[in-house]
Amino acid sequence: AQSVAQPEDQVNVAEGNPLTVKCTYSVSGNPYLFWYVQYPNRGLQFLLKYITGDNLVKGSYGFEAEFNKSQTSFHLKKPSALVSDSALYFCAVRDSITGGGNKLTFGTGTQLKVEL
Amino acid sequence: GAGVSQSPSNKVTEKGKDVELRCDPISGHTALYWYRQSLGQGLEFLIYFQGNSAPDKSGLPSDRFSAERTGGSVSTLTIQRTQQEDSAVYLCASSPEGEKLFFGSGTQLSVL
Repeated sequence: AQSVAQPEDQVNVAEGNPLTVKCTYSVSGNPYLFWYVQYPNRGLQFLLKYITGDNLVKGSYGFEAEFNKSQTSFHLKKPSALVSDSALYFCAVRDSITGGGNKLTFGTGTQLKVEL
Repeated sequence: GAGVSQSPSNKVTEKGKDVELRCDPISGHTALYWYRQSLGQGLEFLIYFQGNSAPDKSGLPSDRFSAERTGGSVSTLTIQRTQQEDSAVYLCASSPEGEKLFFGSGTQLSVL
């Protein structure tokens, strides 16, 4: 079975400071990893993905994430946070060994709040 | 082009009634997903379609829930004899390849 854990319900950071939103995963095979963002009153939007290759992947709005196989983590990062980054962030995983198709499992979400 | 469209955007129903939620995916997307989002629960997987078939129905909470997809396009999620615990936002997503998902705005279901 595949699963995702986002240990922090909320992360607070001052504008201009670096931010990290944590994610760990569990799969049987190799992981396909994703981050999605949900802005207030808007649908979920794709941010970035890791399938294979370079462990550091870059995505939309200046976000990046680092795949760490030994720690089974895929933390989301941004060097300098903006107030407009305040939103709900979801980590997701799909197992490369697919028994039931392309099921994507999401974490419970982390509310990011960036303050002036 | 148009994104994923869900209707209705809001649905208020009485306990025990049946409801149908509709999803129009992006044209050409073969994969279609239904998720449920409840406060504090994250996104709960319900069902996944590849074309018109559903390889994974494992997330449907009970036999009151069913879904179908016709013509490789429109999908309908039906909840029979609704209960208060069914109240949530029901999200539909489509994908051309099963990796990047494109989500609709969801249907907010309230069961009184």
